[in-house]
Amino acid sequence: NAGVTQTPKFQVLKTGQSMTLQCAQDMNHEYMSWYRQDPGMGLRLIHYSVGAGITDQGEVPNGYNVSRSTTEDFPLRLLSAAPSQTSVYFCASRPGGAGGELFFGEGSRLTVL
Amino acid sequence: AQSVTQPDIHITVSEGASLELRCNYSYGATPYLFWYVQSPGQGLQLLLKYFSGDTLVQGIKGFEAEFKRSQSSFNLRKPSVHWSDAAEYFCAVGGVTGGGNKLTFGTGTQLKVEL
Repeated sequence: NAGVTQTPKFQVLKTGQSMTLQCAQDMNHEYMSWYRQDPGMGLRLIHYSVGAGITDQGEVPNGYNVSRSTTEDFPLRLLSAAPSQTSVYFCASRPGGAGGELFFGEGSRLTVL
Repeated sequence: AQSVTQPDIHITVSEGASLELRCNYSYGATPYLFWYVQSPGQGLQLLLKYFSGDTLVQGIKGFEAEFKRSQSSFNLRKPSVHWSDAAEYFCAVGGVTGGGNKLTFGTGTQLKVEL
């Protein structure tokens, strides 16, 4: 019963380094998304996808890239990490259409020095 | 643009006392409304959701919420709080318009339960 799986759970980067946060879901959900969570700011949407080959920007997309080559996977790429990207990142998925329940991964804590 | 306001950053209640967490939303059409709970170091879990119909919605763990369109509110309630309810609670809004694929979250309310 895996649900939404995120890796890694913890990562420390130096400024300017690149990395990819992995997200996989086994529920055949069409919709997938990435949020970042910062103290006092709740969850903010970075990017989302309504199906394979389709992605769109959320509220805070700068500094992040995504792709959706399969229904199952939705990786988040940081091309040149900055200290402002220190955060906890959550991947979430749900069935297609509006309004469905989002299922969340357990989060990835990223620190950029 | 859709938005959610949770005016209480922190709330402390005694175990066994009643609880109400406030949520106000802004949305241009009929909203979908959600309450999620997050325990420390964990992802978010859905407590309940409102799509349409009865404005009083029952959820898991004894929680309920009432949708009041006239007040643009969706407050979360529990008649008797348990120590295990200590967590952070998030209200969220989405809908069927072009923004419906985006779920917007409030900034959260941290609940502390005193024994």
